Amino acid sequence: AQSVTQLDSHVSVSEGTPVLLRCNYSSSYSPSLFWYVQHPNKGLQLLLKYTSAATLVKGINGFEAEFKKSETSFHLTKPSAHMSDAAEYFCVVSLPSGTYKYIFGTGTRLKVLA
Amino acid sequence: GAGVSQTPSNKVTEKGKYVELRCDPISGHTALYWYRQSLGQGPEFLIYFQGTGAADDSGLPNDRFFAVRPEGSVSTLKIQRTERGDSAVYLCASSYTSTGELFFGEGSRLTVL
Repeated sequence: AQSVTQLDSHVSVSEGTPVLLRCNYSSSYSPSLFWYVQHPNKGLQLLLKYTSAATLVKGINGFEAEFKKSETSFHLTKPSAHMSDAAEYFCVVSLPSGTYKYIFGTGTRLKVLA
Repeated sequence: GAGVSQTPSNKVTEKGKYVELRCDPISGHTALYWYRQSLGQGPEFLIYFQGTGAADDSGLPNDRFFAVRPEGSVSTLKIQRTERGDSAVYLCASSYTSTGELFFGEGSRLTVL
């Protein structure tokens, strides 16, 4: 069965320091992978997506993620956190690749300290 | 252009009542999805429409839940005989194609007392 695991439910970083949000997936197929962000009382917004092209994917607001098949991981990173990055982040897998059925992780709440 | 619009944004009802939640997708998007997000969880798939038809309703939890999209645009999620466990945020998303990026609405928060 396909699944996605977000390894941390909460992450706290200081403003200006790097961000790492971890995600592992389980799949028998080649997946499509996404990161979505959800700010309080706002809709989910796509940050970036991997669909079997380049393994290093750049998204909006300085975020990027690297697909590592050998580790079944798709961790989200940002070199320098900003206060506005504080939100809930969801790792999402679509299996088989390109289909509509999105499976969401349980989310990681990012807190950015001044 | 407008994004995905969901109404009401908040709904409080009593156990056993009937509820309708509406989703107005982005114009021209043929694919429409409903998800349910319980507290502390990620969104869970409920149903997917391609045009007017429900292509996949395998995520609907039981027969109290039903959704329609009669003209291939606006969709309504209907919940009969609501239970406290139905309390959640119901999210609607649309996309231009079935494999395209999903655009989400802000959700309808349902509270069943």
